[in-house]
Amino acid sequence: DIQMTQSPSSLSASVGDRVTITCRASQSVSTYLNWYQQRPRRAPKLLISAASSLQSGVPSRFSGSGSGTDFTLTISSLQPEDFATYYCQESYSTPWTFGQGTKVDVK
Amino acid sequence: QVQLQESGPGLVKASGSLSLTCAVSGGSISSSHWWSWVRQPPGKGLEWIGEIYHSGSTNYNPSLRSRVTMSVDNSKNQFSLKLNSVTGADTAVYYCARLHCSSAGCGLFDYWGQGTLVTVSS
Repeated sequence: DIQMTQSPSSLSASVGDRVTITCRASQSVSTYLNWYQQRPRRAPKLLISAASSLQSGVPSRFSGSGSGTDFTLTISSLQPEDFATYYCQESYSTPWTFGQGTKVDVK
Repeated sequence: QVQLQESGPGLVKASGSLSLTCAVSGGSISSSHWWSWVRQPPGKGLEWIGEIYHSGSTNYNPSLRSRVTMSVDNSKNQFSLKLNSVTGADTAVYYCARLHCSSAGCGLFDYWGQGTLVTVSS
């Protein structure tokens, strides 16, 4: 199985802050890496696929980068609705695996 | 717009079986997609359980393979999960989701149900 490790596990930020979350795979996944946002008591929502492809309707303040084993999700200017937990997920091989999550809360 | 809706008992006795169904609307389960189950224990992360194609082909997470069975009912546009020999560790919110193939491979979860909490009682 491919292990996905996110850092940090949690962070505190203010509206307007630039936020960066990293995800590391235990082996190369090329760009088969996706990011999801999960608000409390809601299902995960796909934000970014293929490491950097923004899904339709997702604000442009979200961006993703990376390839191989190291990836980054950046929120350029944090908005109130962005306080949530973010998960990376590899789509390189089964079993599909997720990172442990990064919770972004109010500073 | 594809919609998925989970249904099933919210309480299951330990050592028994958990059975859930996911009804798909706004699209055909016989389309070129795999259909999946993902679970999330309270306060924890996401775990992929397995996936099924409309033909009945399945792939399961090795960590659960011995206890999992998935099935599909094309006539009802739904698919199901059965998990045997449950324990408290199986208490979780269970989501059904559609898998999409793209430049990100075929493991992209693009549509999700709202999730259903299943509690295993001793």
